[in-house]
Amino acid sequence: GENVEQHPSTLSVQEGDSAVIKCTYSDSASNYFPWYKQELGKRPQLIIDIRSNVGEKKDQRIAVTLNKTAKHFSLHITETQPEDSAVYFCAARGGVGGFKTIFGAGTRLFVKA
Amino acid sequence: DGGITQSPKYLFRKEGQNVTLSCEQNLNHDAMYWYRQDPGQGLRLIYYSQIVNDFQKGDIAEGYSVSREKKESFPLTVTSAQKNPTAFYLCASSDSYLGEQYFGPGTRLTVT
Repeated sequence: GENVEQHPSTLSVQEGDSAVIKCTYSDSASNYFPWYKQELGKRPQLIIDIRSNVGEKKDQRIAVTLNKTAKHFSLHITETQPEDSAVYFCAARGGVGGFKTIFGAGTRLFVKA
Repeated sequence: DGGITQSPKYLFRKEGQNVTLSCEQNLNHDAMYWYRQDPGQGLRLIYYSQIVNDFQKGDIAEGYSVSREKKESFPLTVTSAQKNPTAFYLCASSDSYLGEQYFGPGTRLTVT
């Protein structure tokens, strides 16, 4: 079945450094790739998304890149701040499953002040 | 908070009992979803519904059942057939084929 792999599972960076999280997906028909941030005890919230007809998207300190040929996409956070500490999930949606959305296992990001 | 609610926040049940988790949205979204989240784990899809009176199994549907009689509501029943039901359950909705998913606050179910 469809699968999304996410790496690393844990990432620790110094405040001000960049953080990169990578995901690969198996369903080549997937066409929507959101990233969610989940703080402890809270619900996941969308931080950025990208559609299959775009290779890169940026929103202030956050950017996402998509390589459809290789079936992987990445989240880039620049100038990290302690409040960026959270669990980040990638997901892939669409394709044969239509609305079906498969999530990665998550990356726990620690930003040290 | 996005107009999607789940109740109750915490739920305790004895083994062998069925339990139903509520999910309601007032966002006029067509699609609704149920996910299970275990400690330190990602979100695993249980069931999803693209339209009223229709739903599809996700990756871990065994031991669960759903209904979608109204656009606003997508209740999840955890049956006694679910081997390890203790988990955090998240409901979500989205408004279109490529729309953002909005999540509810979740229900933490403990079965002893």
